[in-house]
Amino acid sequence: AQTVTQSQPEMSVQEAETVTLSCTYDTSESDYYLFWYKQPPSRQMILVIRQEAYKQQNATENRFSVNFQKAAKSFSLKISDSQLGDAAMYFCAYSTGTASKLTFGTGTRLQVTL
Amino acid sequence: SQTIHQWPATLVQPVGSPLSLECTVEGTSNPNLYWYRQAAGRGLQLLFYSVGIGQISSEVPQNLSASRPQDRQFILSSKKLLLSDSGFYLCAYQGGPFTPLHFGNGTRLTVT
Repeated sequence: AQTVTQSQPEMSVQEAETVTLSCTYDTSESDYYLFWYKQPPSRQMILVIRQEAYKQQNATENRFSVNFQKAAKSFSLKISDSQLGDAAMYFCAYSTGTASKLTFGTGTRLQVTL
Repeated sequence: SQTIHQWPATLVQPVGSPLSLECTVEGTSNPNLYWYRQAAGRGLQLLFYSVGIGQISSEVPQNLSASRPQDRQFILSSKKLLLSDSGFYLCAYQGGPFTPLHFGNGTRLTVT
């Protein structure tokens, strides 16, 4: 079974600084997708960024980028120029197959301080 | 554009009462539909998913059931709620293969 591990329950970053959230996963599949979702206090799940396993190039969305290391099964999220609005729970997720059932990690709570 | 609606936003129900949570999607046809539950301080657990009308797959044996009476309608039900059914329930849809899941705003269920 696929598992997703987020080893950092909480992280803190100062406004305008950079922070990296870690995620590792376990799978025997060669083709899969990885995602980072953000859950603010409103509890709505918001897609931040996605990565296709067959792509070597790391995905980037504005201030958000990933470091995808397929051999190491690692998928970290880097947030640059952190803003107060980035404060939220961040979930790493994995999926495979046409019915893309997401397997989630337990989340990392990010605090952004002034 | 595609949108997802989930209601109610909050619900307080006594133990033993029935449950019905509804989710509808607009702007897409034949989406994959999902029900997730999030316990306090934890990640999301997949409960049910559906790839078409009347097609329901259960991931976790439990006190809940799901139905898909129409292409873009997904319902989560229970005949008799347990205290352990309390949690935050999220509906999600997927518009096409290998595309990201998009989530509704969720329902906070408290069973008393």
